[in-house]
Formats: sequence, C-alpha cells, structure tokens
Amino acid sequence: AQSVAQPEDQVNVAEGNPLTVKCTYSVSGNPYLFWYVQYPNRGLQFLLKYITGDNLVKGSYGFEAEFNKSQTSFHLKKPSALVSDSALYFCAVRDPYGNNRLAFGKGNQVVVIP
Amino acid sequence: DSGVTQTPKHLITATGQRVTLRCSPRSGDLSVYWYQQSLDQGLQFLIQYYNGEERAKGNILERFSAQQFPDLHSELNLSSLELGDSALYFCASSTREQGKGETQYFGPGTRLLVL
Repeated sequence: AQSVAQPEDQVNVAEGNPLTVKCTYSVSGNPYLFWYVQYPNRGLQFLLKYITGDNLVKGSYGFEAEFNKSQTSFHLKKPSALVSDSALYFCAVRDPYGNNRLAFGKGNQVVVIP
Repeated sequence: DSGVTQTPKHLITATGQRVTLRCSPRSGDLSVYWYQQSLDQGLQFLIQYYNGEERAKGNILERFSAQQFPDLHSELNLSSLELGDSALYFCASSTREQGKGETQYFGPGTRLLVL
C-alpha cells in the first residue's frame, strides 16, 4: 500500500529563517506526491505536487519541495518563513490502484516564532 | 477559495441520529472524494464517486453511505451516529489536467459533533 510518513510532530522556526517539513514515502511504482496546508478552522489548501520531471517543484506562497528518489523523500521547504505560515502541513501520496485516493501523513504543526 | 462548497459548516446532533452532509464540486469536476479527519485516525479516505458512480471505498463504516447526483453534487449520509463519529468531514473534487495529472481540491469541511 502507498504511504507517507511525517516523522516530526511539530516544527518550530524563527521568522525569516528557512523552513523545512519532512516527508518520506513508500510506494510501488511511480510516486505522485502532494503537499497540503490546513489553517485553523479551514479546509486543506493545495500547495504543490510532484508527478514527474524536475526534482524541485515550486508551489504556492513561496513553497517548494524536493523529490529525492534515492532517499524516498519529498521535503517541503521555504527559504524565509513568515508568521502567517504557522499551520498544519500534510504530505500525501496518490494511490493509483485505489482510484487516485490520497493517503495522508499524520501532519506537521509548523509554528513560526516572531 | 478552492471552489468546492460544503454545507453545513457545523453540525451538532445526538447519538443514534442521522445526518446528511452536502458537497458541491468545482465547476467541471466529475470526481468527488470524501475524507474524515479525526484526532486519533488522522485524515482517512472514505469513498469516491465519479460522474454519479461509486469508484472506490476506503475506511467507510456500513452506517455511512454516499451518492452523487446528476448535477454532480454529492451527499454523505451518516446514520446511527456514535460519539466516535465526531470529526471533520471533507469533500474534495478533482479533474485530470492535461500533462499534469490529477489534483484534489478540498472544501472547507463540515465539523460534526455527536453528543
């Protein structure tokens, strides 16, 4: 079965510092990977996805993610964190054998400290 | 705003009751997915419909059912509710983008509280 793991529960970072949220995946076949963000009392917002091609994927709000096949990772990054980036971040993998359902990680709470 | 709408935003009901959650997908999207988000289970896929037909089932209880109507809106019916059904229920819709695969866009969710 396709799965992703987000090893950290919470990521604390000072405003202006680089932000990294980690995700590793386990898939059979080619991985289709996604990052979503959830702000308090809001739905999930799509940030970016990796289907194929360049290992560095650029997304919304200045976020990018690096796909690393050898390390089976898809870490989310932002060069300079903002206080408004404080939210819950989810990594997900598409299950191509399950009609494209998404399997989500447990989520990472990101806290950007002013 | 993703373009996916869900009603109601909040729902408070009692154990044993039945509720219906409604979802309107983005214009043109044929697929609708339902997910449940709870503290202990995280985000779990429940069921998928494509153009009115059920396509995939996940961890959906037998007390739960769904359907997608000709106008493509979908409803998730939860019956014989238990305390453990309290959760945030999300609907997502998707369409295949040429050369870019498929992306699911999520609605704001319905927060269900069973007392």
